[in-house]
Amino acid sequence: SQQGEEDPQALSIQEGENATMNCSYKTSINNLQWYRQNSGRGLVHLILIRSNEREKHSGRLRVTLDTSKKSSSLLITASRAADTASYFCATDAKNSGAGSYQLTFGKGTKLSVIP
Amino acid sequence: SQTIHQWPATLVQPVGSPLSLECTVEGTSNPNLYWYRQAAGRGLQLLFYSVGIGQISSEVPQNLSASRPQDRQFILSSKKLLLSDSGFYLCASSPTGGYSYEQYFGPGTRLTVT
Repeated sequence: SQQGEEDPQALSIQEGENATMNCSYKTSINNLQWYRQNSGRGLVHLILIRSNEREKHSGRLRVTLDTSKKSSSLLITASRAADTASYFCATDAKNSGAGSYQLTFGKGTKLSVIP
Repeated sequence: SQTIHQWPATLVQPVGSPLSLECTVEGTSNPNLYWYRQAAGRGLQLLFYSVGIGQISSEVPQNLSASRPQDRQFILSSKKLLLSDSGFYLCASSPTGGYSYEQYFGPGTRLTVT
């Protein structure tokens, strides 16, 4: 079953604006990760936040995690046209035994940044 | 860091034909390896994962199979392709260990079954 679900499915903003994407999941996790995918390319890891962390920053990226609500958000500040891509959250499942190496990806948010 | 190679980049195959997609990994030893399929505009579906040579776990029953003949080589195969096998196939790698880590992805193979 789908673990992570991103919201919105698509987002269009002007260059310089901030972009916020949300992710909800269903079961307890060890970590939550965000990935970026340019059209027709492989995914690139952006940031990992552990279940005992609430917020993490990396450059213009800010990720929050609320384990009580089983949700996370990715904020991209001062967006650029080059940020245009699809963004996916991915979760593992806590205590998943043999499956502990697996990530479950959401369907992604397609971000368009208009110059 | 790890580098994932995949080939071919694109492939058009008729229904019923065989398939072999190859993935090789550089920059690490004994990685966990994964095959995903991505339908157009959709998320990633995990097909197979491997924690070592000859160790393959299947997540989705289908006419595809995977093999890991060498530590850093992962192959996705089919004896007879179906139209529904069309999609974007991604190979990924992650360090071995008890906790999940970030995954490194290859550039993908676009498969069209006609």
